Amino acid sequence: DTGVSQDPRHKITKRGQNVTFRCDPISEHNRLYWYRQTLGQGPEFLTYFQNEAQLEKSRLLSDRFSAERPKGSFSTLEIQRTEQGDSAMYLCASSLGPYINSGNTIYFGEGSWLTVV
Amino acid sequence: GENVEQHPSTLSVQEGDSAVIKCTYSDSASNYFPWYKQELGKGPQLIIDIRSNVGEKKDQRIAVTLNKTAKHFSLHITETQPEDSAVYFCAATGSARQLTFGSGTQLTVLP
Repeated sequence: DTGVSQDPRHKITKRGQNVTFRCDPISEHNRLYWYRQTLGQGPEFLTYFQNEAQLEKSRLLSDRFSAERPKGSFSTLEIQRTEQGDSAMYLCASSLGPYINSGNTIYFGEGSWLTVV
Repeated sequence: GENVEQHPSTLSVQEGDSAVIKCTYSDSASNYFPWYKQELGKGPQLIIDIRSNVGEKKDQRIAVTLNKTAKHFSLHITETQPEDSAVYFCAATGSARQLTFGSGTQLTVLP
């Protein structure tokens, strides 16, 4: 068990470009989350998957954001036409089961830093 | 939806002293309250959690207390060490679907 893995760890892109982040959850974890964290703030929920199904999306997830989890394994988060306001750390997390208030701990990856210039 | 407020935003203590971080939540349906530690450049790591059916939980130097009536919970770290220096986040959930985090406390343990 190598933990939640995210790639790339850092990305600098020009405004208007598209970027894609990849997340590999802990094996056998069927729930996968994406959070966004800006400096001095706590993580904010973006979306989550139960296996391959995307079950909830935050209002923070604008039309320029799309997340997928084909085959219920790894996940990608794509941001199209990036804006400076998208600069943040994008955190992926996973849990074994759906009920995080019943013992299914959420484990976070190290995050992917995005800087839009 | 849930709203979690955390204070203080920064906390400095002398090594060996205790540190206390407090959070309040708004949704009376919330029943799970984890605490995460985040070191510079890393993702949050769970250090302790508590469910609404208990009022206190302890793990070595770390303890968490919960007051459901007042809707607040606290993290207590005793005998602080330099390696405890990090940002600490509280979180809450009642929906079982995702966590709502506080804004974090930067704890500095001075040698």
